[in-house]
Amino acid sequence: AQSVTQLGSHVSVSEGALVLLRCNYSSSVPPYLFWYVQYPNQGLQLLLKYTTGATLVKGINGFEAEFKKSETSFHLTKPSAHMSDAAEYFCAVIRSGGYQKVTFGTGTKLQVIP
Amino acid sequence: DVKVTQSSRYLVKRTGEKVFLECVQDMDHENMFWYRQDPGLGLRLIYFSYDVKMKEKGDIPEGYSVSREKKERFSLILESASTNQTSMYLCASSSSGTNLNNQPQHFGDGTRLSIL
Repeated sequence: AQSVTQLGSHVSVSEGALVLLRCNYSSSVPPYLFWYVQYPNQGLQLLLKYTTGATLVKGINGFEAEFKKSETSFHLTKPSAHMSDAAEYFCAVIRSGGYQKVTFGTGTKLQVIP
Repeated sequence: DVKVTQSSRYLVKRTGEKVFLECVQDMDHENMFWYRQDPGLGLRLIYFSYDVKMKEKGDIPEGYSVSREKKERFSLILESASTNQTSMYLCASSSSGTNLNNQPQHFGDGTRLSIL
């Protein structure tokens, strides 16, 4: 069964520093992977997705993620953190079996320190 | 832009009450989902629907039911509310598109439900 593991429930970075949020997946088939962001008191919104093709995926707000099959990873990065990036980030994988059922990770809260 | 609207942002109910959470989407999406979100557990799928009047159980359907009489509306029902159903509830919708697995889900802002 497809699953994702997010390492670190809380991550703190200084403003202007590199953001790295880790996600490892488990899948017996080529995975469809997503990163979503949740700002306080809001629902989730899509940051980026990997389906097939290019392994480096660019998303909104300067974020990108690299699909590494050999490491079963899909880590999210941003070169320079901004205060507005403070939010909770969720990695997700589409499950097999149809119906677009998704398994979400447990989330990583990003704190940006001025 | 896709708009997914949940009828209430905050709701307080008493144990034993029947509770209705409503969700409406404006993009003619085939698929709709209900999740609950709890700290440290991420999002867990309660029920989903891939067509009008069609529903499928998710991972934690116990104590819940759903209704989808119209394509744009998906309701979550707590048959007899209990304190362990205090949570944030998120509704989402998505298109089936040409590749079902390629489609992102679009979320409402959530309903924070407290059962006293």
